[in-house]
Amino acid sequence: ETGVTQTPRHLVMGMTNKKSLKCEQHLGHNAMYWYKQSAKKPLELMFVYNFKEQTENNSVPSRFSPECPNSSHLFLHLHTLQPEDSALYLCASSPPRKQVYGYTFGSGTRLTVV
Amino acid sequence: AQTVTQSQPEMSVQEAETVTLSCTYDTSENNYYLFWYKQPPSRQMILVIRQEAYKQQNATENRFSVNFQKAAKSFSLKISDSQLGDTAMYFCALIPSEGAQKLVFGQGTRLTINP
Repeated sequence: ETGVTQTPRHLVMGMTNKKSLKCEQHLGHNAMYWYKQSAKKPLELMFVYNFKEQTENNSVPSRFSPECPNSSHLFLHLHTLQPEDSALYLCASSPPRKQVYGYTFGSGTRLTVV
Repeated sequence: AQTVTQSQPEMSVQEAETVTLSCTYDTSENNYYLFWYKQPPSRQMILVIRQEAYKQQNATENRFSVNFQKAAKSFSLKISDSQLGDTAMYFCALIPSEGAQKLVFGQGTRLTINP
């Protein structure tokens, strides 16, 4: 356990469902990230939050909606997903202005869209 | 654009052997940071080792060491005395500049340590 907790661990949802992924850290980090890990592709950065403010959206479709209510929590709201959105979604965090020391990752949510 | 390339999709060695994983990268910046992450079946991405580009000395963490060749933009990972617990996906990653927050990953190398 690294200190970044993601729930649920597995999620199966239909294309018309609405669900949310949750990420929580109590490491004192102020930057949080969502990454998508698909089979045979490099990890793709989706969103970056610094001190609760979104600072990067890497051209992510609007069916993915992030929310960061405070520096310890990050959500990814999902709606009207496609089968190609099935992937491992990883959350990470880093200390403010010290991301060069590396990120701390959670164990991810394995999402399957049916 | 910054890129990271791992040319070995899979590798397999016997326990106690030494194995080297390759990584090349591309960035136009002079100050950047390189990482090797390990992802075991538990899926948790674990930082193995990091290297600052401005440091000439190769980083070492116990059985893990890197060969950082800045001119060649190469950053290989050497695992000595490999153990069964080293079986995992290994990702090379880059933070391309001092102020950047984007951690750019390679495609990964699946390493299997056989008993």
